[in-house]
Amino acid sequence: GAVVSQHPSWVICKSGTSVKIECRSLDFQATTMFWYRQFPKQSLMLMATSNEGSKATYEQGVEKDKFLINHASLTLSTLTVTSAHPEDSSFYICSVTSEDTQYFGPGTRLTVL
Amino acid sequence: AQSVTQLGSHVSVSEGALVLLRCNYSSSVPPYLFWYVQYPNQGLQLLLKYTSAATLVKGINGFEAEFKKSETSFHLTKPSAHMSDAAEYFCAVSVPNFGNEKLTFGTGTRLTIIP
Repeated sequence: GAVVSQHPSWVICKSGTSVKIECRSLDFQATTMFWYRQFPKQSLMLMATSNEGSKATYEQGVEKDKFLINHASLTLSTLTVTSAHPEDSSFYICSVTSEDTQYFGPGTRLTVL
Repeated sequence: AQSVTQLGSHVSVSEGALVLLRCNYSSSVPPYLFWYVQYPNQGLQLLLKYTSAATLVKGINGFEAEFKKSETSFHLTKPSAHMSDAAEYFCAVSVPNFGNEKLTFGTGTRLTIIP
């Protein structure tokens, strides 16, 4: 399966600032990556599909201007949480698809004070 | 649209006992089915998957699952629980879509192992 990394693994920021999270596919060229959000003791919710070289596709209810996604290369997608607020505090996880299967990164825990 | 129902948000078993985690799915087309495990503060690790081949699927760490179309089920089992199996388990469903398969997750089952 594909190996996926995320950076940073955790981040704390002040309300109103922007935070960038990187998702890298280490051994696989991924034209598509997925971004999920997971609140404590809940399941994963798909936020958006990141497409290399084109605009991301956002799920219903996810603000595209708040969660900026850039997929500039086949191995890197970034999620920027703009003007973060405490309600954006969550666990953000990315994944790549290889042979019909999604492989997940280790996640990034964001805490907004 | 697809959906997954995991029966039992918490399951406790004794060490050495059978593990059974239940998953039922709904899909209008033949689905792909997955079980993932998540340890605290970590991402998801694939345990096993069904993608229309053999209905009995063997995965890592001694887990297996059987796809039963008539029951729309994909229950996860392990004959003998180990302390290291304590984690959150997610069942998920997708449908073939040329590498753009979106996953729909169940709500998860927290497995506790009693020494």
